[in-house]
Amino acid sequence: GQQLNQSPQSMFIQEGEDVSMNCTSSSIFNTWLWYKQDPGEGPVLLIALYKAGELTSNGRLTAQFGITRKDSFLNISASIPSDVGIYFCAGPNFGNEKLTFGTGTRLTIIP
Amino acid sequence: GAGVSQTPSNKVTEKGKYVELRCDPISGHTALYWYRQSLGQGPEFLIYFQGTGAADDSGLPNDRFFAVRPEGSVSTLKIQRTERGDSAVYLCASSLTWDQETQYFGPGTRLLVL
Repeated sequence: GQQLNQSPQSMFIQEGEDVSMNCTSSSIFNTWLWYKQDPGEGPVLLIALYKAGELTSNGRLTAQFGITRKDSFLNISASIPSDVGIYFCAGPNFGNEKLTFGTGTRLTIIP
Repeated sequence: GAGVSQTPSNKVTEKGKYVELRCDPISGHTALYWYRQSLGQGPEFLIYFQGTGAADDSGLPNDRFFAVRPEGSVSTLKIQRTERGDSAVYLCASSLTWDQETQYFGPGTRLLVL
């Protein structure tokens, strides 16, 4: 089956720093989604990407759909405390809409 | 509220017992999904409903797991003869139609099997 690997697995940064994380797949995806999950909550959609090469922003977040369609990147600029959480990439399997999720990147802000 | 709701928020049960987990999707959303999230992992697909019928149940781990959506709205995930390995967060999501990748997730039910 399709697998999504995210790196880094965890990040420890200071407030105000920029963050970069990526997601790679063993097969092609036609859509890439980035979710954030806070403790005790379900994932919340941050950004959706639908075309290879597409670059989309949502406030301080910017995500890119890789040209090969096998990877995607998420950047967060000028991190703030509420950015803490786990970030997941996800994509729908071919032929149906069930999502495959990545392994997650845990973001921690060091005081 | 306008979001996906799930009850109970936490469930503790003993090995071998039967449990039911409930999901109320966003009003008007025809597609409903169940996922299971183990500690430190991303959500894993279990089953997907389009209307009242299960369109894809390929993620259900075995026949102890079953889900229904009799009226095309609320869904119940049923687990028989629970095992300790069933302990996880069970997430429900809904989307407006079957071809919408944008799924909105509920807060989950945390199941602990002792």
